[in-house]
Amino acid sequence: GENVEQHPSTLSVQEGDSAVIKCTYSDSASNYFPWYKQELGKRPQLIIDIRSNVGEKKDQRIAVTLNKTAKHFSLHITETQPEDSAVYFCAASKSQAGTALIFGKGTTLSVSS
Amino acid sequence: GAGVSQTPSNKVTEKGKYVELRCDPISGHTALYWYRQSLGQGPEFLIYFQGTGAADDSGLPNDRFFAVRPEGSVSTLKIQRTERGDSAVYLCASSSTADSPLHFGNGTRLTVT
Repeated sequence: GENVEQHPSTLSVQEGDSAVIKCTYSDSASNYFPWYKQELGKRPQLIIDIRSNVGEKKDQRIAVTLNKTAKHFSLHITETQPEDSAVYFCAASKSQAGTALIFGKGTTLSVSS
Repeated sequence: GAGVSQTPSNKVTEKGKYVELRCDPISGHTALYWYRQSLGQGPEFLIYFQGTGAADDSGLPNDRFFAVRPEGSVSTLKIQRTERGDSAVYLCASSSTADSPLHFGNGTRLTVT
């Protein structure tokens, strides 16, 4: 089955800096890669996703890149703000019926002002 | 409803007891997922329903765990003979199709004493 590795496990940056979180996946058939943000005690919430037919997707300060050959994808947050502090999870799945989303172990991002 | 609803929000039970956790997905969502999240970990896949049937139950850790979705809407996760190692937050998520982003509930925090 699919296995998703995520690095780093913790990341501390100064406000205004960029943050990059990287994930690798094992199943070359996976084609859907979402990122979730989870604040303490809250539910995971989707912040951005990418499908295998594109290499990059941006949404304001957040971008995701995908390298299918290397089987890795990354989350990029620019101009970080204290409210970006949270745990971020990457995930992967084969987006057809009957396949589940498999998550990485998470990255705790701390943005200090 | 406006989002995925899970009840109870907290459940404390004694080792060996039986528990049921309920999930009300977003109205009209055909896909429903159960995940388990331990402290400091990513959501761990348990089971996925498409309609009334379990499309993938490969994540259920053993036969003490069972889930149903008899009418294709509400789902119940059942745990028999609970063990202290079952303590975790149990998350439910739904999506409009198998190919759509997941929307998570707030989870049920299960504590087995």
